Amino acid sequence: GDSVTQMEGPVTLSEEAFLTINCTYTATGYPSLFWYVQYPGEGLQLLLKATKADDKGSNKGFEATYRKETTSFHLEKGSVQVSDSAVYFCALSDEDTGFQKLVFGTGTRLLVSP
Amino acid sequence: KAGVTQTPRYLIKTRGQQVTLSCSPISGHRSVSWYQQTPGQGLQFLFEYFSETQRNKGNFPGRFSGRQFSNSRSEMNVSTLELGDSALYLCASSPGQGGQETQYFGPGTRLLVL
Repeated sequence: GDSVTQMEGPVTLSEEAFLTINCTYTATGYPSLFWYVQYPGEGLQLLLKATKADDKGSNKGFEATYRKETTSFHLEKGSVQVSDSAVYFCALSDEDTGFQKLVFGTGTRLLVSP
Repeated sequence: KAGVTQTPRYLIKTRGQQVTLSCSPISGHRSVSWYQQTPGQGLQFLFEYFSETQRNKGNFPGRFSGRQFSNSRSEMNVSTLELGDSALYLCASSPGQGGQETQYFGPGTRLLVL
């Protein structure tokens, strides 16, 4: 079945450092890919998405490119802030599992210090 | 537009009891999905409802059930609670028209089973 693999956390960075969180996926169809963020005590917020190969999703300085050849959707940000500290989830959905069913990775906690 | 709302936000129950959680989707959204989030299992899909019908289902025991009303509001019920049911229960909504849609999440209901 479909699955998503994320790098283990926590990722600890200083403010203004470059961020990469790796995400790879396995899917039988052509999935849509998502990054969600969860702040302490809150639900999930959509950060960005991409629906086809070579699409780049971007939002709030975060970017991720849908790479079909490497089945990856790595999250990047050029300069992190303390307020970016949160848990980041990579997810997919596709026609085979039902587009309303998201398959999530285990999440990667990001800690940014001043 | 108002976002997805969930009630109650916090709940404490004892083993053997049952519980009902409520979710109101974004106006105009007809698909409602439920997820369970635990530290051990991560985010897992429970089920999805569209037009008052269950359209997709995850791998959870029959103690977990749901329903959707004609106004798209949804409830999920857990009967005979077990300690392992302690979790954050998240609801998400989307238009439900098919294809690659984005799901929008509510803040969740945190259930503690004692």
